[in-house]
Amino acid sequence: DTGVSQNPRHKITKRGQNVTFRCDPISEHNRLYWYRQTLGQGPEFLTYFQNEAQLEKSRLLSDRFSAERPKGSFSTLEIQRTEQGDSAMYLCASSPQPGQGPAEAFFGQGTRLTVV
Amino acid sequence: EDQVTQSPEALRLQEGESSSLNCSYTVSGLRGLFWYRQDPGKGPEFLFTLYSAGEEKEKERLKATLTKKESFLHITAPKPEDSATYLCAVHLYNFNKFYFGSGTKLNVKP
Repeated sequence: DTGVSQNPRHKITKRGQNVTFRCDPISEHNRLYWYRQTLGQGPEFLTYFQNEAQLEKSRLLSDRFSAERPKGSFSTLEIQRTEQGDSAMYLCASSPQPGQGPAEAFFGQGTRLTVV
Repeated sequence: EDQVTQSPEALRLQEGESSSLNCSYTVSGLRGLFWYRQDPGKGPEFLFTLYSAGEEKEKERLKATLTKKESFLHITAPKPEDSATYLCAVHLYNFNKFYFGSGTKLNVKP
């Protein structure tokens, strides 16, 4: 399977614990995005990487959130001191560098986080 | 402020009853508009990219069209397996991200 892979698919954690999610993008894609989606809403942008450089972060991303993409390959999203409001689906997407037109983003299956 | 609005929020159709979903946008510098399908508990699945006003794309029972202010996703003779949430997203020239609408939840009854 050469699609975007996310692990784990589900995570239940106690409030205050740290969690880390992993995303493996499509191998030839140099752009990687993290989004968050709550029930009944569209995905909200969190952060964006081009290769290993994190080029943009949403104001939604508090100091408890950090993302990395070492060597421009897989990426991790860590949430420290989780809160119940962090419960959501965390989606990763990758896309190639746009040419003359836009480049489609392809999504993984997401990681469903539940904070209890 | 840039906005992407989808309507209706939910749509119930009988099998075979054609209809259209709407995505309107108030953005500047549109690079492209995308349609995705999302099944419960899964990530969005890419359907179409539209680049410029007047463009149309088709796939099976789905056809997407684009004007300067909105896009339509036409569903012809839908089947129950077309039931899903349909999301539209815009990509702007000056921003390296996709802005999503809230989606239309489609339910097709047999």
